[in-house]
Formats: sequence, C-alpha cells, structure tokens
Amino acid sequence: AQRVTQPEKLLSVFKGAPVELKCNYSYSGSPELFWYVQYSRQRLQLLLRHISRESIKGFTADLNKGETSFHLKKPFAQEEDSAMYYCALSVGAGSYQLTFGKGTKLSVIP
Amino acid sequence: DTGVSQDPRHKITKRGQNVTFRCDPISEHNRLYWYRQTLGQGPEFLTYFQNEAQLEKSRLLSDRFSAERPKGSFSTLEIQRTEQGDSAMYLCASSLGTPNLQYFGPGTRLTVT
Repeated sequence: AQRVTQPEKLLSVFKGAPVELKCNYSYSGSPELFWYVQYSRQRLQLLLRHISRESIKGFTADLNKGETSFHLKKPFAQEEDSAMYYCALSVGAGSYQLTFGKGTKLSVIP
Repeated sequence: DTGVSQDPRHKITKRGQNVTFRCDPISEHNRLYWYRQTLGQGPEFLTYFQNEAQLEKSRLLSDRFSAERPKGSFSTLEIQRTEQGDSAMYLCASSLGTPNLQYFGPGTRLTVT
C-alpha cells in the first residue's frame, strides 16, 4: 500500500529565511503528488501539484522519483505562510482517493 | 457557489447514538469523497462516489458506517452506535473529471461522550 511520510511535525523559521518542508512517499508506480495547506480556522486547500510544475505563493515542489520525494520549498518565508501543510498522493489508474501524510506545522517567526 | 458545504459543523453525541452528516459538493462535481481526520493525523480516506455510485471504500469504513449519494448531488454519512473512537473531524471533498483536484469542505467535528 502507498504511504506518505512527513518527518517534521513542526518547523520554525525566521521571516525571510528559506523554507523546505519534506515529503517522502512509497509507491511502486507513478503517483500524482500534491501539497495541501490549511491556514488557521480555514479549510484544507490545494497549494500545488507536481504535474503542473507551477509556483504558487512563491512555493515550488519537484518530484524526485529516484529519492521518492516531493519536498516543498520557498526561498523567503513570510509570516502569512504559517500554516499546516500536508503532502498527498494519488495512485491514479481509476483510484481517486488521496493518501495524506501527517502534516507539518510551519511557524514563521517575525 | 461558495464551495463544498457540510452540515452540521459540530456534533456532540453520547456513545451508542446514531449520527448523520450531510455534504453538498460544488455544483456539477461528479465525484464526492469522505475523509476522517483525527488529532495529529492527516485526512484518511473513507469512501468515494462517482455520481450516485459508491466506487471505493476503505477498510476504515466499518459496518457501522454507511454513506449514500442518492441523486448524485449531496451525500450523507451515517454512523450507527457511535463509539468514542469515532470522535474526529469528518471531511467531505468533491472533484470534476481529471485532473484529480479535490476541493474540501470545512468539516464536521464529531465528539462522542
């Protein structure tokens, strides 16, 4: 079965510092990877997905199939980036369920 | 359309009681998903509908749980004979076609006392 691992429960960085939220997955096929974000008292929302290779709110993520990783990066953290971040995986092939990691809480210190 | 909505937002019930939650997806979204989230965990998949057909069910969905989407629009999730371990946030999401972009509702927080 597929699994998503986010090794850090909490990550604290200073404003303006680079951010990297780690995500590793286990799945033998070619999954689709997503990052979701949940700001305080808001619903879970899609941040970005690997297929689109886009940058959202300054965040990027590259799928590394050799290392089975999909780390989320931002060069300069902002206070408004403080939130809970979840990495998720979809195996496709007719299955649409998402498998989530446990999440990493990002705290940006002013 | 303001997105996926869920009702109620909070539910407190006594152990052994039955509860029912409702989810209204984004209009015309053909897929609807239920997830459960407990403290310190990410959302865990429960079940998914394409139109009115329930196509996937997780092993987490015990026989006390039943979900329906009778007309391919809103969905209900019922938990019978609730247990304290059922206390969680129940999330609903919907999507349309491909890619698999799921939009989540605010969730229903269930507390079983």
